[in-house]
Amino acid sequence: EAQVTQNPRYLITVTGKKLTVTCSQNMNHEYMSWYRQDPGLGLRQIYYSMNVEVTDKGDVPEGYKVSRKEKRNFPLILESPSPNQTSLYFCASSHRVKGEKLFFGSGTQLSVL
Amino acid sequence: GQQLNQSPQSMFIQEGEDVSMNCTSSSIFNTWLWYKQDPGEGPVLLIALYKAGELTSNGRLTAQFGITRKDSFLNISASIPSDVGIYFCAGQRRFILFTDKLIFGTGTRLQVFP
Repeated sequence: EAQVTQNPRYLITVTGKKLTVTCSQNMNHEYMSWYRQDPGLGLRQIYYSMNVEVTDKGDVPEGYKVSRKEKRNFPLILESPSPNQTSLYFCASSHRVKGEKLFFGSGTQLSVL
Repeated sequence: GQQLNQSPQSMFIQEGEDVSMNCTSSSIFNTWLWYKQDPGEGPVLLIALYKAGELTSNGRLTAQFGITRKDSFLNISASIPSDVGIYFCAGQRRFILFTDKLIFGTGTRLQVFP
């Protein structure tokens, strides 16, 4: 089954404790992206990747890092999480340039205390 | 970064009613997309539009690409309880040598009561 898998689904952590949210897709998509969803603000792009070893900032990249060492994986790293990073995070992938038809994961609800 | 304005922000309707929502932008787009997010899940693509004035249906859903290319509309006919969720519009600009990223709207939350 074609899917984007994120882990974990829920995460509660404390300020400053490094964390990684994993994302994997099994569709051989070149384009992958991370979004955060906040009430009233919709989906905002954090980082995206056009291919292996090619990543670029989205609209809200501050406080986040990503890597794309393999085509299928695109982890999101928070080196020193802060409470304003409490949000619902989605990973997405697409075979189209710049992700026109995105496939989304089920989301990771992060709470930073 | 730019965001698209969706209206209304939320809707509470009775089962069987028709629903209309729209998405507006200050910029021109040449692709409009509509996604639906079920509770507890990620968004799923419903309809894609590629030409100004285009009208496309997917079951009880109909979406239109506005003639000005600055807006798009989604209609749901005869709503049912499983229509509950958040509906997102998204726009994209494509040029000959460059494709811009997808920009999402702020979302319309739909509640359907039996």
